[in-house]
This record gives sequence, structure tokens and C-alpha cells, in this order.
Amino acid sequence: AQSVTQPDIHITVSEGASLELRCNYSYGATPYLFWYVQSPGQGLQLLLKYFSGDTLVQGIKGFEAEFKRSQSSFNLRKPSVHWSDAAEYFCAVGASGGSYIPTFGRGTSLIVHP
Amino acid sequence: DTAVSQTPKYLVTQMGNDKSIKCEQNLGHDTMYWYKQDSKKFLKIMFSYNNKELIINETVPNRFSPKSPDKAHLNLHINSLELGDSAVYFCASSFGLGSNTGELFFGEGSRLTVL
Repeated sequence: AQSVTQPDIHITVSEGASLELRCNYSYGATPYLFWYVQSPGQGLQLLLKYFSGDTLVQGIKGFEAEFKRSQSSFNLRKPSVHWSDAAEYFCAVGASGGSYIPTFGRGTSLIVHP
Repeated sequence: DTAVSQTPKYLVTQMGNDKSIKCEQNLGHDTMYWYKQDSKKFLKIMFSYNNKELIINETVPNRFSPKSPDKAHLNLHINSLELGDSAVYFCASSFGLGSNTGELFFGEGSRLTVL
């Protein structure tokens, strides 16, 4: 079975600073990997996803993530954070092929200081 | 138009009551899900339906009963509510299982508070 670890429960950054949110996954084959964002009182929205090919994927709102098979990681990055990026971020892993049900990490809460 | 809509958005009720949450998607997806998000934001899959057929039923008390009258709707009925049922319940949908998109589209959530 697949699993996801997001080691940081909270991350605090200053507006304009760079951001990296960590995600490690466990899955026997090539995973499908996702990052979702949840703004307060809202549902989750997909930021980006990796299925195959280029290991650096670009998403919406200026986010990118890099798949590193050797480290079983899929970290999310943004070069310059805006106050509106404050939200909960979830990494998710899905099985490639067959019955696909994504498993979510427990989320990282991003706090942005002015 | 909202792609995945849930009603009600907020629900406050007493222990022992029965309540339902409704979900509708207008995306033409084949698969729908219910997730439970606890107070620590942890998201746990509860059920998944594909073309009105139950395919995933995680370890959920049988007080929870999903119903899918058609592939655009997935409702959740909860009997004999308990304090521990307090959570935010998210409905989601996607293209069919095993598809190579994998993206879930979420509703805004239904916050259930059991007193």
C-alpha cells in the first residue's frame, strides 16, 4: 500500500522569501504524485501532478515540484511567496494503473509573515 | 457553475440523530468519493463509487451509508451520530479509476458538529 509523509506540520516564511515543502512517499512502483492546496474554508485544489517524463513539473500559482526517485521525494517549491499563499498544502500519492485511490499526507500549514 | 457541490455546508446536530449530506458533480466524471477530514486536517478516504457501484469501503462504521442514485450524485447518510463524527466531510470526483489523469475535484466540504 502507498503512504505519504509530510514531515513539517507548520512552515512559517516571510512574504517574498522562497519556499520548499517536503513530501516523501512509499510505493513499490512508479507513483502518481500530486500537490493540493486548501485555503481556509475551502475544498482542495490541485496545484500540480507528476505521472511520468520530466521530473520537474510546473503548476499553477507559480509552484513547481521535483520528483526524485532515489529519495522517494516530491518536494514543492516556490521562489517568492505571496501572503495569499497562506494555506494548507497536501501531498498525495496514487497507484499507477489499476484501482486508483489517492492517499494523502497529513498536510503542511503555511504561514506567511508580512 | 460549481463543479462539485455539497449541501449543507454546515450541520450542527445532537448525538443520536440521523443526518445526510448530499453531493452532486456536473463534470461528467464516473467516480465519486467521500473523504473525512479530522480536526488535525488529516484526510481519510471513506467510500468510492464508480458508475453508481461501490468500489471502496474503508473501515468505516456501518452507521455511515453512502448512496449513489446516479453517477452524478453521491450522498452520505449517517445514523446515530456520535461526538467522534464531528469533522469536515469532503465529496470529490474524478475520471474513471485507473485513468491517467488521477486528479480529484473537491467540493467545499460539509462541516458536521455533533453536540
